[in-house]
This record gives sequence, structure tokens and C-alpha cells, in this order.
Amino acid sequence: EAQVTQNPRYLITVTGKKLTVTCSQNMNHEYMSWYRQDPGLGLRQIYYSMNVEVTDKGDVPEGYKVSRKEKRNFPLILESPSPNQTSLYFCASSLFGQGSYGYTFGSGTRLTVV
Amino acid sequence: DAKTTQPPSMDCAEGRAANLPCNHSTISGNEYVYWYRQIHSQGPQYIIHGLKNNETNEMASLIITEDRKSSTLILPHATLRDTAVYYCIVGGTSYGKLTFGQGTILTVHP
Repeated sequence: EAQVTQNPRYLITVTGKKLTVTCSQNMNHEYMSWYRQDPGLGLRQIYYSMNVEVTDKGDVPEGYKVSRKEKRNFPLILESPSPNQTSLYFCASSLFGQGSYGYTFGSGTRLTVV
Repeated sequence: DAKTTQPPSMDCAEGRAANLPCNHSTISGNEYVYWYRQIHSQGPQYIIHGLKNNETNEMASLIITEDRKSSTLILPHATLRDTAVYYCIVGGTSYGKLTFGQGTILTVHP
């Protein structure tokens, strides 16, 4: 089944403890992206990647890192999480960027930083 | 990317057509109109997209006005499971940003 898989689905962590949220897609998509969703603020893009080794900042990149060493994987790294990064996170992928194709989203990762 | 304006909420009776409007008056000639929906806190789901012509797929129809300044998503026979937040998004010929607005909360009732 074609899908975007995020892990974990739920995570509670403490301030300052480095964490990684994984994202993997099995559709051979070039484009991948991370979003966070907060009440009243909607979905905001954190980082995106057009292909392997090519990444760029979205609207809210502060406090996050990403890497794209393989086409299928696009992990989101929080090196020193803070409570304001408590949010619902989504990974998305698409063939050739949004262009003329729709995005496929993962099921989400609910992160709580205490 | 051009901005969009959608009503914050709409109601629809089960079995009837749901018509969700979207204004995008600043759309440029090479930008697409996309529709997604999000049920509860699940990942957004792609519904349909179009450039100039009306489009139809197994989920919905998309009607784009001739001047491309507005569009309507039509769910022909709404069911309770269509209750969701519907997002209209404009953009897409360049890689990168996919900007979601606040969307329309569609409630389908029996």
C-alpha cells in the first residue's frame, strides 16, 4: 500500500532531550516536507526537500533540523526540544513537488514537551 | 502563492450535495487550485485539483470560474463521514511551500 509512515505516533519528552521523528514513504517521491499543526494557527511548513541532499526552510524552521540522505526517508530532528514545540506533526510527500500532483500525508505524530 | 478565502463553517444534510466555495482572486496564471480535507486530527487527505477546466474524480467535482478567481468543491452525495475541515489551496508550480489556510468546517447531519 502506498503510504507515508511516521513514527512514533505519540511522544512525551522532557525539555532539552534530543529526539528524532522518522518519516518514510514507499512511493519513490522526490518531494518530502514536514508540517506542524497548532490550534488557531493551522498547518505550517517547517522544512521541505526536493530530492536527496536538497533541503530548504519552510515558514517555521527554528528549533528543527532535517536530513535527506535517502529518497524514502526524511527525519525531523529536535536537538533541544522546548515546550513551544509541543504540537501535532505531519510528514508529506509528492511526486515532483506539488506541481500538478497532490500530496500524501502521514498519520501524524503528537509530540508533548514538558 | 496566492491566498484563499473560505467560509469558516457550513452544514449539509446527508445525501444532499455539499458545495464548498473558495475565493482566490490573486491567483496567477500557472497556479493550480487544490482541495484537501482533514478528519479529526488525521493527516490531510488530497481530494482534487485543477488549473482551468472543471475536474471530477471518484470523490468530488471541482468547478473553477472562467476568470479563475473562485472555485467550488462539490461533494455530490454527502455522507456523515464527509464531516471534516476542507482546505482550498492555491499554488504549486514551484517546489516548496504548501500554505494551508483555516479551511471550512463541513458538518454533515442526518
